[in-house]
Amino acid sequence: AQTVTQSQPEMSVQEAETVTLSCTYDTSESDYYLFWYKQPPSRQMILVIRQEAYKQQNATENRFSVNFQKAAKSFSLKISDSQLGDAAMYFCAYRRAETGGGADGLTFGKGTHLIIQP
Amino acid sequence: DAGVIQSPRHEVTEMGQEVTLRCKPISGHNSLFWYRQTMMRGLELLIYFNNNVPIDDSGMPEDRFSAKMPNASFSTLKIQPSEPRDSAVYFCASSFRRGGGYEQYFGPGTRLTVT
Repeated sequence: AQTVTQSQPEMSVQEAETVTLSCTYDTSESDYYLFWYKQPPSRQMILVIRQEAYKQQNATENRFSVNFQKAAKSFSLKISDSQLGDAAMYFCAYRRAETGGGADGLTFGKGTHLIIQP
Repeated sequence: DAGVIQSPRHEVTEMGQEVTLRCKPISGHNSLFWYRQTMMRGLELLIYFNNNVPIDDSGMPEDRFSAKMPNASFSTLKIQPSEPRDSAVYFCASSFRRGGGYEQYFGPGTRLTVT
């Protein structure tokens, strides 16, 4: 079974600074997808960024970027120029590649609570 | 599009009662997922459907839990009888196969409290 580990229960960063959230995973699959989701106090799950395992290039979405190290099974999220609105729980998630039957479920880490200091 | 719709948003019930949670996926999506979120266990996949057919229900904790998807636009998660340890936020998500990574769109969740 796949597992996802987020070793930082809580992180704090000053507004406008850069912060990196860590995630490691364990799988025997060679093809899969990795995601970072944001959950603000409203509890809505919001997709932040996605990485395909077969792509060597790290995904970026505006101020959000990842450092994907496939051999090390590491997938960290970097948030640049942190803003107050970035304060939330962040979840790393794994999904194996589709097998032909359709989509598959997500396996989540326990989350990192990100605090933005004004 | 209205997004994934879940009802009710909040449910408070007494132990032993039947609880039914409802989900309407995004129109055109052919996969539907039920997740549960608790402080102790985090976010867990309970069951998912592809084209209205249950594919994997290994995450369903006990026989007290059941899920159905009678058509492409509606799914229910039922707990009978409910217990205090079932208190959690239950999320429904849907996705559409479009040849790449399938983004799952989450509903707002149902917060269930069993007293």
